Amino acid sequence: AQSVTQLGSHVSVSEGALVLLRCNYSSSVPPYLFWYVQYPNQGLQLLLKYTTGATLVKGINGFEAEFKKSETSFHLTKPSAHMSDAAEYFCAVEMGSSNTGKLIFGQGTTLQVKP
Amino acid sequence: GAVVSQHPSWVICKSGTSVKIECRSLDFQATTMFWYRQFPKQSLMLMATSNEGSKATYEQGVEKDKFLINHASLTLSTLTVTSAHPEDSSFYICSARAGVYEQYFGPGTRLTVT
Repeated sequence: AQSVTQLGSHVSVSEGALVLLRCNYSSSVPPYLFWYVQYPNQGLQLLLKYTTGATLVKGINGFEAEFKKSETSFHLTKPSAHMSDAAEYFCAVEMGSSNTGKLIFGQGTTLQVKP
Repeated sequence: GAVVSQHPSWVICKSGTSVKIECRSLDFQATTMFWYRQFPKQSLMLMATSNEGSKATYEQGVEKDKFLINHASLTLSTLTVTSAHPEDSSFYICSARAGVYEQYFGPGTRLTVT
């Protein structure tokens, strides 16, 4: 069975500072991993995904994540935070081993960006 | 990008009544849609997978007779919460699959049962 753990339910950074949101997963099969962002009153939006290939994945809005199998991690980073990055972020792993589309989400991390 | 809508965005109903939530893919066809439930300050939990033209498959612990799902067309799936009770109050979110790894989420429907 797969699972996702996001360390830190709330992260606060200053504008311009590095953003690091942590995600660890558990999976008995090669995982498909995702990061989504949720703005108030909006649907989840895909930031980036890892399926196979290059372990450093670049996404939208300057975000990137690195798949580290040895650490079972998929942390999300952005070099310089903007005020508009304030939102809820979810890490997710796909259930099963055959591209089911079913997602298991972490608990979410609220990112606060201070001016 | 692809857009998924949900209607209504917020609904209040009395205990014992049923309420229907619609999920539409506006600019693409989705053979598969998913329904999630999100409690306040918590994560999304997958409830069921809805495939066009066939019966929905429910995750363990989800009452299929309480949460009726119909996927009658390639752009519409509905979730009906039957005989709703206060514990069914939650945020219900759908997603629609547009490709192998592409999945788009609706904005969610907040259900309050009084």
